[in-house]
Amino acid sequence: GQSLEQPSEVTAVEGAIVQINCTYQTSGFYGLSWYQQHDGGAPTFLSYNALDGLEETGRFSSFLSRSDSYGYLLLQELQMKDSASYFCASPNAGKSTFGDGTTLTVKP
Amino acid sequence: DAGVIQSPRHEVTEMGQEVTLRCKPISGHNSLFWYRQTMMRGLELLIYFNNNVPIDDSGMPEDRFSAKMPNASFSTLKIQPSEPRDSAVYFCASSLFTDNSPLHFGNGTRLTVT
Repeated sequence: GQSLEQPSEVTAVEGAIVQINCTYQTSGFYGLSWYQQHDGGAPTFLSYNALDGLEETGRFSSFLSRSDSYGYLLLQELQMKDSASYFCASPNAGKSTFGDGTTLTVKP
Repeated sequence: DAGVIQSPRHEVTEMGQEVTLRCKPISGHNSLFWYRQTMMRGLELLIYFNNNVPIDDSGMPEDRFSAKMPNASFSTLKIQPSEPRDSAVYFCASSLFTDNSPLHFGNGTRLTVT
């Protein structure tokens, strides 16, 4: 089976940098995805790491270390609109298992 | 691209009634997924289809739940009879069948069973 652990809540101020960690235990691992979900909305895809290292997409970056079974999502220059839930997910044989999500609150 | 379309957006029904949720995936996507989201259990995969064929239904909670995909552009998730513990947001998602292909979620159906 697969399990992904991430913190339940993170709080940061506007303009700051925040890192959301995800550790995983999987029987088969192909990579780590990240999704954002605003209250009442649908999860939307942010990034995918198949290989170790850092992937950068604008203000958001995602990192993966297979040897440590660990990844993180880095959000820079935080904005109020970044307040949302963030999920790490592990795709395997076409389907994805999601972590429980981290609620990020950005304060002015 | 219209995205994944789900209907209805909200459904309120009484215990014991049949509920049918509908989904139209993105054209060209060959995989379709039904997820359920609750505070207690997070995002759970119920079932997924590849090329209209059910591949894994191990997440379907019990026989009251059934899903079909009669063609590449339509899927249904049916609950019969519904129970209060089925109250949740049900998401449909579609993707190309590769591990690095992102899931595209619909806006979900918020189901309330009283």
